Amino acid sequence: DAGITQSPRHKVTETGTPVTLRCHQTENHRYMYWYRQDPGHGLRLIHYSYGVKDTDKGEVSDGYSVSRSKTEDFLLTLESATSSQTSVYFCAISVRGNTEAFFGQGTRLTVV
Amino acid sequence: KNEVEQSPQNLTAQEGEFITINCSYSVGISALHWLQQHPGGGIVSLFMLSSGKKKHGRLIATINIQEKHSSLHITASHPRDSAVYICAVPITQGGSEKLVFGKGTKLTVNP
Repeated sequence: DAGITQSPRHKVTETGTPVTLRCHQTENHRYMYWYRQDPGHGLRLIHYSYGVKDTDKGEVSDGYSVSRSKTEDFLLTLESATSSQTSVYFCAISVRGNTEAFFGQGTRLTVV
Repeated sequence: KNEVEQSPQNLTAQEGEFITINCSYSVGISALHWLQQHPGGGIVSLFMLSSGKKKHGRLIATINIQEKHSSLHITASHPRDSAVYICAVPITQGGSEKLVFGKGTKLTVNP
């Protein structure tokens, strides 16, 4: 299995609080992605990174920010959590877009 | 407009049946991914293919680049095949690449 770890795996937080999710990889892959998965929508891209300090927005980036200060870590921050951000968040890594992608186990976030 | 469309959205089969899940995409791609997600579980990569056909056990994936279509077949289906199957394609944007996913096909195989 690819070395990709998400933390925390579960989190309950209050509306308006900041939350940071961490994705850590040991594969030295260039690309890292954050997705959210919701019923009826499938996996939707929030942000992705194609190198250290190189990030770009996905289709549902509002309310989220990311940082990648080193190859192995990609952080997703909810600046002020809202109930609409209750979701399961997945991190993924790949060498490139046309190579195999590996996924973390997911983080279940509940905003109350 | 979704760049990746999967069909059907839901599929129920009896054990032993032959299963086909389809994926169509609207952009030029270099490869396509098929992924599997079990209930409550993580997502695993089944195939990454850029042409022709790949086979792994009872799973077969085919792709027709000209028609922008891929299929995932499961032979002799089993209840443990029950999962959501997702196709994904890499999209090049501004010199970088991102994976775009279909919404998934939920497969239920009954004993």
